[in-house]
Amino acid sequence: DTAVSQTPKYLVTQMGNDKSIKCEQNLGHDTMYWYKQDSKKFLKIMFSYNNKELIINETVPNRFSPKSPDKAHLNLHINSLELGDSAVYFCASSHGSGKMKQYFGPGTRLTVT
Amino acid sequence: GESVGLHLPTLSVQEGDNSIINCAYSNSASDYFIWYKQESGKGPQFIIDIRSNMDKRQGQRVTVLLNKTVKHLSLQIAATQPGDSAVYFCAEPAGSSGTYKYIFGTGTRLKVLA
Repeated sequence: DTAVSQTPKYLVTQMGNDKSIKCEQNLGHDTMYWYKQDSKKFLKIMFSYNNKELIINETVPNRFSPKSPDKAHLNLHINSLELGDSAVYFCASSHGSGKMKQYFGPGTRLTVT
Repeated sequence: GESVGLHLPTLSVQEGDNSIINCAYSNSASDYFIWYKQESGKGPQFIIDIRSNMDKRQGQRVTVLLNKTVKHLSLQIAATQPGDSAVYFCAEPAGSSGTYKYIFGTGTRLKVLA
C-alpha cells in the first residue's frame, strides 16, 4: 500500500503555464508538507499544513498556492511557471508537529522549458 | 542553514566496510534529530532518530551518535552493502517544540564499491 502518493511523477511544461501537483496520504496523519529539492539535492521546506490549516509558509512566491481539501490531501498549484521552478517537489506527512518522523512521497520532477 | 553552490559531499566505501556519515548542526537548543536515506529517483526514507537525552541509539546495522558539546551527529552503517548507496540527510526541527518545520542538512552521497 502506498503511504504518500503524488501525481504526476514527471511534469514538463513551458514558462508561463499553470500546473498542479496532487498529494494524498493514507496514514491518517494530520500534518502535511511540501518540500522543494534543487539539482544539488538541497531539500527545503515550502509549506506545512496541520488539520487543513496553513502553519508554515516559508517565504515562497505567491505564485505557489497550496490547498488542503481534507487532512489526507495537500495539493500544490503553481501559476506563471518560471525556469527557476524546475526542481523535484516532495510531499510528506507526519503525525502531529515536530519531533516526529516524516513520510515522503516519491516526488514530482518539474521541468520548465 | 542553506546550502548554495556547494557540491554534494561523497563518501566512497568498500562493500563490507563500515561507513560513517557526519552532520553538524547549529542550534544548541535542538533536541531531536532524524536521519533519512534517499535513493535515486525516490523520496527520503526515515532511517533512525535520536532525542537529545541520548548519546547513542542503535537500529538494524545503523547507529546514530549525538555529541551535544560540539553539536555533531553521525550515522554509522555496519557492513555496508550495495543497497546502502544513497544520499543521506540529517534533519532537525527548527525553532521551539511544536514546530512544523524541519531543517535538512546538505546531504552526503554514499557510494558502495564492489
